[in-house]
Amino acid sequence: AQRVTQPEKLLSVFKGAPVELKCNYSYSGSPELFWYVQYSRQRLQLLLRHISRESIKGFTADLNKGETSFHLKKPFAQEEDSAMYYCALTAGNTGKLIFGQGTTLQVKP
Amino acid sequence: GAVVSQHPSWVICKSGTSVKIECRSLDFQATTMFWYRQFPKQSLMLMATSNEGSKATYEQGVEKDKFLINHASLTLSTLTVTSAHPEDSSFYICSASRIAGVTGELFFGEGSRLTVL
Repeated sequence: AQRVTQPEKLLSVFKGAPVELKCNYSYSGSPELFWYVQYSRQRLQLLLRHISRESIKGFTADLNKGETSFHLKKPFAQEEDSAMYYCALTAGNTGKLIFGQGTTLQVKP
Repeated sequence: GAVVSQHPSWVICKSGTSVKIECRSLDFQATTMFWYRQFPKQSLMLMATSNEGSKATYEQGVEKDKFLINHASLTLSTLTVTSAHPEDSSFYICSASRIAGVTGELFFGEGSRLTVL
Protein backbone atom coordinates (compact mmCIF):
# COMPACT_ATOMS: atom_id res chain seq x y z
CA ALA A 1 0.00 0.00 0.00
CA GLN A 2 1.12 3.53 -0.69
CA ARG A 3 1.65 5.55 2.42
CA VAL A 4 3.41 8.75 3.42
CA THR A 5 4.31 9.39 7.02
CA GLN A 6 5.31 12.67 8.57
CA PRO A 7 6.02 11.91 12.22
CA GLU A 8 6.02 15.47 13.49
CA LYS A 9 2.82 17.50 13.68
CA LEU A 10 4.66 20.60 14.80
CA LEU A 11 8.24 21.70 14.47
CA SER A 12 9.21 24.91 16.20
CA VAL A 13 12.62 26.52 15.66
CA PHE A 14 14.24 29.90 16.05
CA LYS A 15 15.11 32.07 13.09
CA GLY A 16 18.49 31.11 11.67
CA ALA A 17 18.36 27.56 13.03
CA PRO A 18 18.55 24.54 10.72
CA VAL A 19 15.31 22.80 9.84
CA GLU A 20 14.59 19.23 8.91
CA LEU A 21 11.04 18.06 8.27
CA LYS A 22 10.87 14.31 8.17
CA CYS A 23 9.03 12.24 5.62
CA ASN A 24 9.00 8.49 5.13
CA TYR A 25 7.12 6.62 2.50
CA SER A 26 5.95 3.16 1.70
CA TYR A 27 5.66 2.07 -1.90
CA SER A 28 6.80 -1.08 -3.66
CA GLY A 29 7.83 0.54 -6.91
CA SER A 30 9.66 3.74 -7.77
CA PRO A 31 7.64 6.65 -6.51
CA GLU A 32 7.98 10.30 -7.28
CA LEU A 33 8.17 12.40 -4.14
CA PHE A 34 7.11 15.97 -3.60
CA TRP A 35 6.90 18.62 -0.95
CA TYR A 36 3.90 20.92 -0.96
CA VAL A 37 3.55 24.00 1.23
CA GLN A 38 0.55 25.91 2.49
CA TYR A 39 1.19 29.38 3.87
CA SER A 40 -1.37 31.01 6.14
CA ARG A 41 -4.59 31.79 4.31
CA GLN A 42 -3.21 30.55 1.02
CA ARG A 43 -3.80 27.47 -1.04
CA LEU A 44 -1.54 24.48 -1.26
CA GLN A 45 1.32 24.85 -3.73
CA LEU A 46 4.23 22.80 -4.95
CA LEU A 47 7.53 23.51 -3.23
CA LEU A 48 9.82 20.98 -4.84
CA ARG A 49 10.00 17.53 -6.40
CA HIS A 50 12.75 14.98 -6.04
CA ILE A 51 13.27 14.48 -9.75
CA SER A 52 14.31 18.06 -10.33
CA ARG A 53 16.88 17.99 -7.51
CA GLU A 54 16.63 21.71 -7.13
CA SER A 55 16.70 24.09 -4.20
CA ILE A 56 13.63 26.23 -3.74
CA LYS A 57 13.63 29.07 -1.21
CA GLY A 58 16.70 27.48 0.30
CA PHE A 59 14.98 24.14 0.84
CA THR A 60 16.36 20.87 -0.46
CA ALA A 61 15.19 17.29 -0.19
CA ASP A 62 17.03 14.13 -1.10
CA LEU A 63 15.34 10.88 -1.85
CA ASN A 64 16.90 8.05 0.14
CA LYS A 65 15.56 4.82 -1.25
CA GLY A 66 17.37 2.71 1.30
CA GLU A 67 15.67 4.47 4.18
CA THR A 68 12.53 5.25 2.13
CA SER A 69 12.80 8.85 3.22
CA PHE A 70 12.49 12.26 1.63
CA HIS A 71 13.31 14.73 4.38
CA LEU A 72 13.06 18.45 3.71
CA LYS A 73 15.96 20.55 4.90
CA LYS A 74 16.98 24.15 5.15
CA PRO A 75 20.19 25.32 6.80
CA PHE A 76 18.87 28.63 8.14
CA ALA A 77 15.16 29.02 8.77
CA GLN A 78 13.43 32.33 8.14
CA GLU A 79 10.22 33.59 9.72
CA GLU A 80 8.51 33.55 6.33
CA ASP A 81 9.07 29.80 6.17
CA SER A 82 6.38 29.34 8.79
CA ALA A 83 3.72 27.24 7.10
CA MET A 84 2.19 23.80 6.82
CA TYR A 85 4.35 21.37 4.85
CA TYR A 86 3.05 18.22 3.22
CA CYS A 87 5.11 15.42 1.81
CA ALA A 88 3.43 13.55 -1.03
CA LEU A 89 4.06 10.77 -3.46
CA THR A 90 2.66 9.82 -6.78
CA ALA A 91 2.78 6.29 -7.98
CA GLY A 92 2.13 4.87 -11.39
CA ASN A 93 0.75 7.02 -14.16
CA THR A 94 -2.52 8.10 -12.55
CA GLY A 95 -1.04 11.37 -11.41
CA LYS A 96 -2.81 11.22 -8.09
CA LEU A 97 -0.96 12.42 -5.03
CA ILE A 98 -0.99 10.69 -1.68
CA PHE A 99 -0.26 13.11 1.14
CA GLY A 100 1.33 12.72 4.51
CA GLN A 101 -0.28 14.15 7.61
CA GLY A 102 1.52 17.42 7.32
CA THR A 103 3.97 19.22 9.60
CA THR A 104 3.47 22.75 10.84
CA LEU A 105 6.74 24.64 10.82
CA GLN A 106 6.86 27.55 13.21
CA VAL A 107 9.88 29.82 12.96
CA LYS A 108 10.19 32.10 15.94
CA PRO A 109 11.99 35.45 15.79
CA GLY B 1 -1.03 31.15 -14.76
CA ALA B 2 -2.39 27.79 -13.60
CA VAL B 3 -5.17 29.03 -11.36
CA VAL B 4 -7.84 26.74 -10.00
CA SER B 5 -10.97 28.25 -8.56
CA GLN B 6 -13.60 26.64 -6.38
CA HIS B 7 -17.11 27.82 -5.76
CA PRO B 8 -18.61 28.29 -3.29
CA SER B 9 -15.90 28.97 -0.73
CA TRP B 10 -18.26 28.01 2.03
CA VAL B 11 -21.76 26.67 2.21
CA ILE B 12 -24.18 25.84 4.99
CA CYS B 13 -27.03 23.49 4.28
CA LYS B 14 -29.70 21.52 6.06
CA SER B 15 -29.39 17.81 6.57
CA GLY B 16 -30.88 15.88 3.68
CA THR B 17 -30.22 18.45 1.00
CA SER B 18 -27.67 18.21 -1.81
CA VAL B 19 -24.81 20.58 -2.35
CA LYS B 20 -22.78 21.15 -5.51
CA ILE B 21 -19.20 22.41 -5.48
CA GLU B 22 -17.55 23.58 -8.68
CA CYS B 23 -13.89 23.39 -9.55
CA ARG B 24 -12.62 25.36 -12.52
CA SER B 25 -9.22 25.68 -14.10
CA LEU B 26 -9.22 29.31 -15.17
CA ASP B 27 -6.30 29.57 -17.54
CA PHE B 28 -5.41 26.05 -18.54
CA GLN B 29 -7.00 22.81 -19.59
CA ALA B 30 -6.95 20.11 -17.00
CA THR B 31 -6.67 16.52 -18.10
CA THR B 32 -7.44 15.32 -14.65
CA MET B 33 -8.94 16.80 -11.55
CA PHE B 34 -8.74 15.36 -8.09
CA TRP B 35 -11.07 15.85 -5.17
CA TYR B 36 -9.72 15.79 -1.63
CA ARG B 37 -11.35 16.03 1.74
CA GLN B 38 -9.63 17.52 4.75
CA PHE B 39 -10.74 17.20 8.34
CA PRO B 40 -9.56 19.75 10.92
CA LYS B 41 -5.84 19.46 11.58
CA GLN B 42 -5.61 16.36 9.42
CA SER B 43 -4.17 15.55 6.06
CA LEU B 44 -5.81 15.67 2.67
CA MET B 45 -7.63 12.48 1.90
CA LEU B 46 -8.02 11.69 -1.78
CA MET B 47 -11.65 10.99 -2.59
CA ALA B 48 -11.68 10.52 -6.34
CA THR B 49 -9.94 11.13 -9.61
CA SER B 50 -11.98 12.87 -12.26
CA ASN B 51 -11.19 12.64 -15.96
CA GLU B 52 -12.97 14.68 -18.58
CA GLY B 53 -15.62 12.71 -20.38
CA SER B 54 -15.36 9.58 -18.30
CA LYS B 55 -16.55 8.25 -14.98
CA ALA B 56 -14.65 9.26 -11.90
CA THR B 57 -12.46 6.75 -10.11
CA TYR B 58 -13.24 6.64 -6.43
CA GLU B 59 -10.84 5.71 -3.65
CA GLN B 60 -11.64 2.81 -1.41
CA GLY B 61 -14.23 3.68 1.18
CA VAL B 62 -15.65 6.67 -0.67
CA GLU B 63 -19.32 6.26 -1.60
CA LYS B 64 -19.75 7.13 -5.25
CA ASP B 65 -23.50 7.54 -4.88
CA LYS B 66 -22.95 9.93 -2.05
CA PHE B 67 -20.29 12.03 -3.72
CA LEU B 68 -21.22 12.50 -7.35
CA ILE B 69 -18.48 13.79 -9.58
CA ASN B 70 -19.00 15.16 -13.05
CA HIS B 71 -16.19 16.34 -15.32
CA ALA B 72 -18.01 17.76 -18.28
CA SER B 73 -15.20 19.77 -19.81
CA LEU B 74 -11.45 20.25 -19.61
CA THR B 75 -11.95 23.21 -17.31
CA LEU B 76 -14.77 22.16 -15.00
CA SER B 77 -15.40 19.39 -12.52
CA THR B 78 -18.22 19.33 -10.01
CA LEU B 79 -18.68 17.48 -6.76
CA THR B 80 -22.21 17.00 -5.51
CA VAL B 81 -22.71 15.85 -1.96
CA THR B 82 -26.09 14.15 -2.03
CA SER B 83 -28.42 13.92 0.94
CA ALA B 84 -25.87 15.63 3.10
CA HIS B 85 -25.55 14.76 6.77
CA PRO B 86 -23.60 16.48 9.55
CA GLU B 87 -20.78 13.94 9.22
CA ASP B 88 -20.23 15.21 5.67
CA SER B 89 -19.21 18.57 7.07
CA SER B 90 -15.65 19.09 5.96
CA PHE B 91 -13.25 21.07 3.83
CA TYR B 92 -13.32 19.90 0.22
CA ILE B 93 -10.38 20.75 -2.00
CA CYS B 94 -9.98 20.17 -5.70
CA SER B 95 -6.80 20.11 -7.69
CA ALA B 96 -5.95 19.87 -11.34
CA SER B 97 -3.07 18.78 -13.48
CA ARG B 98 -2.25 20.41 -16.76
CA ILE B 99 -2.21 18.72 -20.13
CA ALA B 100 1.43 17.86 -20.79
CA GLY B 101 2.29 19.40 -17.49
CA VAL B 102 4.83 18.32 -14.93
CA THR B 103 3.97 14.96 -13.41
CA GLY B 104 2.78 15.36 -9.86
CA GLU B 105 2.45 19.11 -10.05
CA LEU B 106 -1.08 19.80 -9.05
CA PHE B 107 -2.70 23.19 -8.82
CA PHE B 108 -5.08 23.52 -5.93
CA GLY B 109 -8.27 25.40 -5.44
CA GLU B 110 -8.85 27.47 -2.35
CA GLY B 111 -11.18 24.87 -0.91
CA SER B 112 -14.86 24.80 -0.03
CA ARG B 113 -16.03 24.47 3.53
CA LEU B 114 -19.27 22.56 3.88
CA THR B 115 -21.28 22.72 7.07
CA VAL B 116 -24.34 20.50 7.32
CA LEU B 117 -26.77 21.39 10.07
